[in-house]
Amino acid sequence: ELKVEQNPLFLSMQEGKNYTIYCNYSTTSDRLYWYRQDPGKSLESLFVLLSNGAVKQEGRLMASLDTKARLSTLHITAAVHDLSATYFCAVEGGGADGLTFGKGTHLIIQP
Amino acid sequence: DSGVTQTPKHLITATGQRVTLRCSPRSGDLSVYWYQQSLDQGLQFLIQYYNGEERAKGNILERFSAQQFPDLHSELNLSSLELGDSALYFCASSVAGSGVSTDTQYFGPGTRLTVL
Repeated sequence: ELKVEQNPLFLSMQEGKNYTIYCNYSTTSDRLYWYRQDPGKSLESLFVLLSNGAVKQEGRLMASLDTKARLSTLHITAAVHDLSATYFCAVEGGGADGLTFGKGTHLIIQP
Repeated sequence: DSGVTQTPKHLITATGQRVTLRCSPRSGDLSVYWYQQSLDQGLQFLIQYYNGEERAKGNILERFSAQQFPDLHSELNLSSLELGDSALYFCASSVAGSGVSTDTQYFGPGTRLTVL
């Protein structure tokens, strides 16, 4: 059974600081996704990572993938309040196209 | 706006009842996925349809069923509802599933189901 673990599950940080969210998964997977969810809202696709060593950046967010370690990271640079949200990683695999999600990282960025 | 639409936005019903949730995928997308989000279970994949055919099943209960119609919209039917079925139900769509390397699942706004 494919399992996805995120840590930390809760993170409170100050604006201007850098931090990293980690996502470990248990079996080989074709793709890894990062999504953002604001309270009461839907999931917004941030990144899709397809291969070992893949790195993608959008604004203050950068995601990377190490398939050998089964590890993805989401790095936040010089955080701003607008990045406050819950971030999910999700993995596709195990014979189905459906995504297996981590529990999410609830991120609060304080001014 | 992802381009995926879901109706209704909110649904309040009683235990034992049956409801139908509806999803229209983005234009051109052939795959539709259903997910359930609850506080205790998190986000769980329920079922996937591709071009009208069931493609993959996740943690979907036997009381739940889904279908995808020729116009590619999908419906999720939930029957004999229990209190624990209260959750946010999301529909997502993608072009083709894992056959397309750059494919992404785009999520709809969700239907919030409350079972009283």
